[in-house]
Order: sequence, then structure tokens, then C-alpha cells
Amino acid sequence: KAGVTQTPRYLIKTRGQQVTLSCSPISGHRSVSWYQQTPGQGLQFLFEYFSETQRNKGNFPGRFSGRQFSNSRSEMNVSTLELGDSALYLCASSRQGADYGYTFGSGTRLTVV
Amino acid sequence: AQSVTQLGSHVSVSEGALVLLRCNYSSSVPPYLFWYVQYPNQGLQLLLKYTTGATLVKGINGFEAEFKKSETSFHLTKPSAHMSDAAEYFCAVSDGTSGSRLTFGEGTQLTVNP
Repeated sequence: KAGVTQTPRYLIKTRGQQVTLSCSPISGHRSVSWYQQTPGQGLQFLFEYFSETQRNKGNFPGRFSGRQFSNSRSEMNVSTLELGDSALYLCASSRQGADYGYTFGSGTRLTVV
Repeated sequence: AQSVTQLGSHVSVSEGALVLLRCNYSSSVPPYLFWYVQYPNQGLQLLLKYTTGATLVKGINGFEAEFKKSETSFHLTKPSAHMSDAAEYFCAVSDGTSGSRLTFGEGTQLTVNP
């Protein structure tokens, strides 16, 4: 079966711009979570959506937002990009949530210049 | 609050030797524990998970982990390392009460020497 698909794989943006990342979960998975991975901070939780509702949110500024559509696909948006937003953004999906074990996508590598 | 500590950011073993990656957790409620592996330029792959029941958990690629409540540990082992095991390994905890948030350790980079 198809895995978690994230697009695009690589992205270069200029400071101050905004960016939208996309995630298509495994068919039948209703929980989608987003994580930011950086060398300095490691893996940090951004937010989780379940059946189009944000169920949990990490400690990130309001510039980071997300949404989930009725087909469970999810997008995350970062506005007013800062250099520190450069990271690998990982999307993960599960039938019910983290307790069941997530399947991760390959990530989107965002570079802010 | 929950947290995870992985002892040793870098571990180096010889091919065929025992792999032992250490993980200690802190959780106010019975935890769900996971080990993930990440190869270069890829996402995370679930190796194994502990939810309830048997404390010795077997995963993919010959890995296993033992949940020890008294020691708050969930160490990952593999009897014989293979070159293809070289990767970064992450221990993670979810306590089931914070929605579906995984808290990850800082990761352990495993090097396998020929």
C-alpha cells in the first residue's frame, strides 16, 4: 500500500515569505501529525489533526498553522519565514493516533535564505 | 509531563557485535514506548512499540526492546549488528493523555564498523 506522501521534497524560500507543505496520509488513517526536525532542537511536535479537527498543538508561534481536509490530507503553513525555520518537516499518519505507532513520510526539507 | 533520555549520542560497534541503545523515560502515567530508525534523507521508520502486555517486544530487522518499569527504561538491542543497521535511532514516548503527541529523545547515531 502507498505510504505517507509529502510534497515537495525540497523547498528554498526567502525570509519573510510564506510556505505551504502538503501531506497525504495512508488510506484509512485519520490522524495526521507534523514534526519539525533540526540539528539543534531535534524532533519537535507541531500539531496533530484527527478527522479535520486540531486535537493537539505544540509550542510553536502562531506563524505555524495547519489544517486537515475531509479526505484526511493535511497541509501546514508557515508565514513570515525566519532563518530559524529551516528544518526537515515530517508528517506522520496513524489510524487513531500516536499510541498505535505512526508511519512517517520522507519529509520536506525547507531552507530559508 | 513526559520526557525521554537517550544515553550516548553516538554508539559504534563492530559488524556482528551486540547492539545496545539505551533509553530512559519519564511519564506520570503508564507510557506507550517506541523506537524509530532514520536513514539519511529519509523519514522515521517504526522499529517496535510497547503498549501493554509482554514487556519484551520484538520488532523488525532483528531488533527487540525490554520495558522495565522499575528502571523506567526501554533499551533497544540486536544480537548481531549488520552494516545496514547504521542509522540514527530515536526513542519516543506517548502517555496517551496528551492527545497524540510523541516526545522524542535526542537520538543515537549508530555506526557499524566492518
